[in-house]
Amino acid sequence: NAGVTQTPKFRVLKTGQSMTLLCAQDMNHEYMYWYRQDPGMGLRLIHYSVGEGTTAKGEVPDGYNVSRLKKQNFLLGLESAAPSQTSVYFCASSYNDRGDVLTFGAGSRLTVL
Amino acid sequence: AQSVTQPDIHITVSEGASLELRCNYSYGATPYLFWYVQSPGQGLQLLLKYFSGDTLVQGIKGFEAEFKRSQSSFNLRKPSVHWSDAAEYFCAVGATGAAGNKLTFGGGTRVLVKP
Repeated sequence: NAGVTQTPKFRVLKTGQSMTLLCAQDMNHEYMYWYRQDPGMGLRLIHYSVGEGTTAKGEVPDGYNVSRLKKQNFLLGLESAAPSQTSVYFCASSYNDRGDVLTFGAGSRLTVL
Repeated sequence: AQSVTQPDIHITVSEGASLELRCNYSYGATPYLFWYVQSPGQGLQLLLKYFSGDTLVQGIKGFEAEFKRSQSSFNLRKPSVHWSDAAEYFCAVGATGAAGNKLTFGGGTRVLVKP
């Protein structure tokens, strides 16, 4: 089925470790987003991309890096994980920038000990 | 900067009863407004949206929302709740013309449905 696929779905890290979350979409969407979801805070935008080879900072970018080397993939990296990065991460993609056709992945739950 | 407030963190409603979820936003211009639903362990799904025009918008699953500019509100309603409506609901505002249209989400309202 067409959609947004996130890997891994679950991960436990120790403080200081690094990891990469992969988001893949097969809908040929230009726009891709990484959000984090924390209780009572809704979703907050970490980074986004408006096309292949582009990235931009969102609301809470510190401690994260992203890359969009291929149009279908948007990678979120944590270079040195911290307990404050324990969260559920959602990737989303869209063919326009109006926000009405966002397709979300199922989420990746990350725990940093 | 835009912001969204959902005053109710949890709401419990009986099956068959009506439901109203509150959403207040802050934005200097005409906003794009959205309601999303998140079922347990799932991503978010768009319920409905408002861009312009008729202030009462209809969405999927029998939901509707009304945009009231004077109150900066975009409340979500459903006349008769089904057990499958138990989920978390998020209101969001988008900035018109902003590159990438960075949505700002509210903190969410978790809805529990009693039999």
